[in-house]
Amino acid sequence: AQRVTQPEKLLSVFKGAPVELKCNYSYSGSPELFWYVQYSRQRLQLLLRHISRESIKGFTADLNKGETSFHLKKPFAQEEDSAMYYCALRDLNTGFQKLVFGTGTRLLVSP
Amino acid sequence: DGGITQSPKYLFRKEGQNVTLSCEQNLNHDAMYWYRQDPGQGLRLIYYSQIVNDFQKGDIAEGYSVSREKKESFPLTVTSAQKNPTAFYLCASTIDRGTPLHFGNGTRLTVT
Repeated sequence: AQRVTQPEKLLSVFKGAPVELKCNYSYSGSPELFWYVQYSRQRLQLLLRHISRESIKGFTADLNKGETSFHLKKPFAQEEDSAMYYCALRDLNTGFQKLVFGTGTRLLVSP
Repeated sequence: DGGITQSPKYLFRKEGQNVTLSCEQNLNHDAMYWYRQDPGQGLRLIYYSQIVNDFQKGDIAEGYSVSREKKESFPLTVTSAQKNPTAFYLCASTIDRGTPLHFGNGTRLTVT
């Protein structure tokens, strides 16, 4: 069965420090990986997806099939990055968009 | 302004009562979803619907029911059979399998 693991419940860093939010997955097929973010008092929204290979708000994530990881990285954290981050996986072989979510990591960026 | 609207934002019920959570979207999306969000457990899929008058159980459907009579609406009923109904419920939609989910603001249900 598909599974997404986010080992850190809370990640606390200072402004300007590098950030890496870890995400590992278990899946035998061809997954599509996403990062969703939930800022305070805002709805859950897509941050980025691996097939886009783009940088959003300075964040990047590379799919490493050998290590089955999709870690989210940013070289210099900003206070406005403080939020809840969810890694999610979608089975590309299914006929609908069922996402399997990790348990989430709360990022706290202090001044 | 297009989007997904969930109402109410907060809902309180007594144990043993059924309660229905509303989810409406004006995005013309075909597929709609209900997720439950619990601390430390992430989001878990309750039910989903790919087209009108059709829906399927997700991973934790027991104690819940849904209907999809209109494309815009996908209400979720939390029945008295749901053993632990207190949670944050999120509705989402998407136009097709290739596009990301759009989420509503959620409904926090408290059952005492």
